[in-house]
Amino acid sequence: QVQLQESGPGLVKPSETLSLTCTVSGGSISGYYWSWIRQPAGKGLEWIGRIYTSGDTKYNPSLESRVIMSVDTSKSQFSLRLNSVTAADTSVYYCARAPPGVACTSTSCIGYFDYWGQGALVTVSS
Amino acid sequence: EIVLTQSPVTLSLSPGERATLSCRASQSIRSYLAWYQQKPGQAPRLLIYDASNRATGIPARFSGSGSGTDFTLTISSLEPEDFAVYYCQQRQNWPLTFGGGTKVEI
Repeated sequence: QVQLQESGPGLVKPSETLSLTCTVSGGSISGYYWSWIRQPAGKGLEWIGRIYTSGDTKYNPSLESRVIMSVDTSKSQFSLRLNSVTAADTSVYYCARAPPGVACTSTSCIGYFDYWGQGALVTVSS
Repeated sequence: EIVLTQSPVTLSLSPGERATLSCRASQSIRSYLAWYQQKPGQAPRLLIYDASNRATGIPARFSGSGSGTDFTLTISSLEPEDFAVYYCQQRQNWPLTFGGGTKVEI
C-alpha cells in the first residue's frame, strides 16, 4: 500500500522559508507526478505545483515566484520550499501522487490525485 | 485559469436520499474532471476520474456524468459515511484547479 508522509517545521516566521518533505513508501516514486496542495482552515484546496521524477516542474502562477520543488529518487522523497511566507500561507499542506492520465490533454499528461499524505499544518507566525 | 463553481454550497439530506452535486467550469474541460470526498481531519479521497469513471474501491452508489462545462456527481442513496465535503478538480489546463466544495450534511 502506497503511503505518503509529510514532515517539516510546523511553525515558520513571517518572511522566512517554509520547507516540507514528503516521503513515499510502499511503492515506486518513479513514473509518477508528485504534487503539493494546501488548504487553509475551513477553506478549499489550492494546488501549489508538481514535480515529475525526471525533475521537471510545473507551478501555480499565483505562487511561482516563491516556490521551488525538488525530488530525490534515491530516498523516495520530494520537497517543497516556499519563501517569503506571510500569515496567508498558514495552511494544511498535503503531498499527493498523480499517475499519468489515461489520456493526455492538450497541455499535460498528469492524471488525478490517487494517494495523499495525512497533511501537515504549517503556521506562519512570529 | 479555469474556475470551477460548485453548487449548492451546502446540501441537507437524510440517509437513503439521493444527492446531486454540480460542478461548472468556466471553459470547456472536455471530460478531464475528478471528484473527491473529504471528511474532517482527513485528506481528500479520489472518487471519480475523467468525469464518469469510479476510482478503485469506490462503491457503485457514486456516479459521475457530464462533459464540456457541466458535470454532476450523484450519490444514489446516502449512507451515513457519505456526509462530507465534495470537491471537483480539473486537469485540462494549468494550473490544476479545484472547485470550492459542496458540503453534504444530515
